[in-house]
Amino acid sequence: ETGVTQSPTHLIKTRGQQVTLRCSSQSGHNTVSWYQQALGQGPQFIFQYYREEENGRGNFPPRFSGLQFPNYSSELNVNALELDDSALYLCASSFDRDEAFFGQGTRLTVV
Amino acid sequence: QKEVEQDPGPLSVPEGAIVSLNCTYSNSAFQYFMWYRQYSRKGPELLMYTYSSGNKEDGRFTAQVDKSSKYISLFIRDSQPSDSATYLCAMRVPAQKLVFGQGTRLTINP
Repeated sequence: ETGVTQSPTHLIKTRGQQVTLRCSSQSGHNTVSWYQQALGQGPQFIFQYYREEENGRGNFPPRFSGLQFPNYSSELNVNALELDDSALYLCASSFDRDEAFFGQGTRLTVV
Repeated sequence: QKEVEQDPGPLSVPEGAIVSLNCTYSNSAFQYFMWYRQYSRKGPELLMYTYSSGNKEDGRFTAQVDKSSKYISLFIRDSQPSDSATYLCAMRVPAQKLVFGQGTRLTINP
């Protein structure tokens, strides 16, 4: 167990809807990163938050947004869901952007 | 060309065999190298974390980094059926995002 918890574990949404995924970082960690993992692929970087500020963003459209709270937990929001957004969404926490530990992921299915 | 290349397999070996998993990369700025194990429908679990070229050993696992060739390896000795999983290599520039390989699907047959 890494101490990184994600909720919900599974989610089914309809195309065009909006979704919010949540992540609680490991105690003592101040950095949260989000990744999208399509079936059979490696995780792709979405964005990172370090001490409540966005610290890098991958090649994802603006409808993917996030924030980090003062307790360093984080949310990932996706608007106007598309079928291709179906994937495992992974949250990783670390201290000062170092060694990253992943949660179990949220499996999102868009129908 | 992808920044990190990893053969997706699948790779199937008998129990007790030595397994060799490899990744190549193109970005010479990468300084930190990791191997993650991912069981089906679970999050990746950090196995090995290395900084410099050379070998790092942890139990049955050995990670090897050759920066001059831009090549990293993970060796698993005395492989067990419980080692069956997808193995992901990952690397990064300091304080930046992780860049992953595609993952190699490994099956250890009893």
